[in-house]
Amino acid sequence: AQSVTQLGSHVSVSEGALVLLRCNYSSSVPPYLFWYVQYPNQGLQLLLKYTSAATLVKGINGFEAEFKKSETSFHLTKPSAHMSDAAEYFCAGGYQKVTFGTGTKLQVIP
Amino acid sequence: NAGVTQTPKFQVLKTGQSMTLQCAQDMNHEYMSWYRQDPGMGLRLIHYSVGAGITDQGEVPNGYNVSRSTTEDFPLRLLSAAPSQTSVYFCASRRGQGALNTEAFFGQGTRLTVV
Repeated sequence: AQSVTQLGSHVSVSEGALVLLRCNYSSSVPPYLFWYVQYPNQGLQLLLKYTSAATLVKGINGFEAEFKKSETSFHLTKPSAHMSDAAEYFCAGGYQKVTFGTGTKLQVIP
Repeated sequence: NAGVTQTPKFQVLKTGQSMTLQCAQDMNHEYMSWYRQDPGMGLRLIHYSVGAGITDQGEVPNGYNVSRSTTEDFPLRLLSAAPSQTSVYFCASRRGQGALNTEAFFGQGTRLTVV
């Protein structure tokens, strides 16, 4: 069965520090990968998606992710965290059937 | 643009009651899905559809039924609600076959409590 794993249910960073949220996918997941963000009491919003055109994908709000097939990873990064980045982040993968990870809550400390 | 519309936004049910969560999209998307979101468990796929008349089970289908009679609508039915079905439910839609790597658009969710 396809699966997407997010390491770390909670991540805390200082404002201005690097953000790194980890995502690994099982080899049975088709190489269609996404990162979504969810703010409190809201739906999910797409941050970025892997299109197979380039392994480094740039998204909104300064986020980017690198697709590494050899490591089956699709980690999300942002060079400098802002207070407004505090939210829950979900990695997802699949084609007809899209599977989500369990989410990582990002806390940004002033 | 309406996008994906879910109704109701909030619902309280008694154990054993039935109800239907509505989902409609106006983007002519082929793929539609229902997820439930529970703390610490992320989003889990309940049922999905790749087109009108075609549905399939996801990870947690028990206790839920779906049908897809039109492209626009994908209702989720709880036949006999149980407290374990207390959750936030999200409907999502995507463009379908021939449109690779397309992202899902989500509704705002339905918060269901079963007492």
